[in-house]
Amino acid sequence: AIQMTQSPSSLSASVGDRVTITCRASQGIRNDLGWYQQKPGKAPKLLIYAASSLQSGVPSRFSGSGSGTDFTLTISSLQPEDFATYYCLQDYNYPPVFGQGTKLEIK
Amino acid sequence: QVQLVQSGAEVKKPGASVKVSCKASGYTFTSYDINWVRQATGQGLEWMGWMNPNSGNTGYAQKFQGRVTMTRNTSISTAYMELSSLRSEDTAVYYCARAYYYDSSACFDYWGQGTLVTVSS
Repeated sequence: AIQMTQSPSSLSASVGDRVTITCRASQGIRNDLGWYQQKPGKAPKLLIYAASSLQSGVPSRFSGSGSGTDFTLTISSLQPEDFATYYCLQDYNYPPVFGQGTKLEIK
Repeated sequence: QVQLVQSGAEVKKPGASVKVSCKASGYTFTSYDINWVRQATGQGLEWMGWMNPNSGNTGYAQKFQGRVTMTRNTSISTAYMELSSLRSEDTAVYYCARAYYYDSSACFDYWGQGTLVTVSS
């Protein structure tokens, strides 16, 4: 199975900061990658699909980029509600595999 | 509005089975695959398998082959995930998620609220 490696595993930032989270695939996955946000005690929420397509209703401060093996999720200006854990998910190859998560904490 | 509503928390003994339900509303149930994902306390997300509600076709992660069964009842727009031979390591929150297909890939655009399954003697 394809391995998905996220970095960093945790990150401290302040409101208003620009933040980037990276996901690396162990082999090329075209752009078949999604990003999900999960808050404590809640189900994950889809933010980005096809590496860079913003899911309906998701604020435009979230953006995704990348193709092949390297992908990034960027939050342009952190808001208080953005502090959460973020996961990438590849669906290029079966089985779908999640990254291990990046916990974004308030500095 | 699309909703996936899961059944309530369960406590099971080791060796038992659990069956979690996921009731869909707000869309045509048979038009979208349902996937199941679990999360142990403090851990990451783990994909378990998928089911096509129209055909009943399924696919399971190798880790769960032989222990998991995904079924559906189209008359009540409900998907089920049954996990057998439970062990303590199966203690987790189990989520159902709808798969939205774009090009040749998929993402999970709607999720159930999660069902906590606790395995304890």
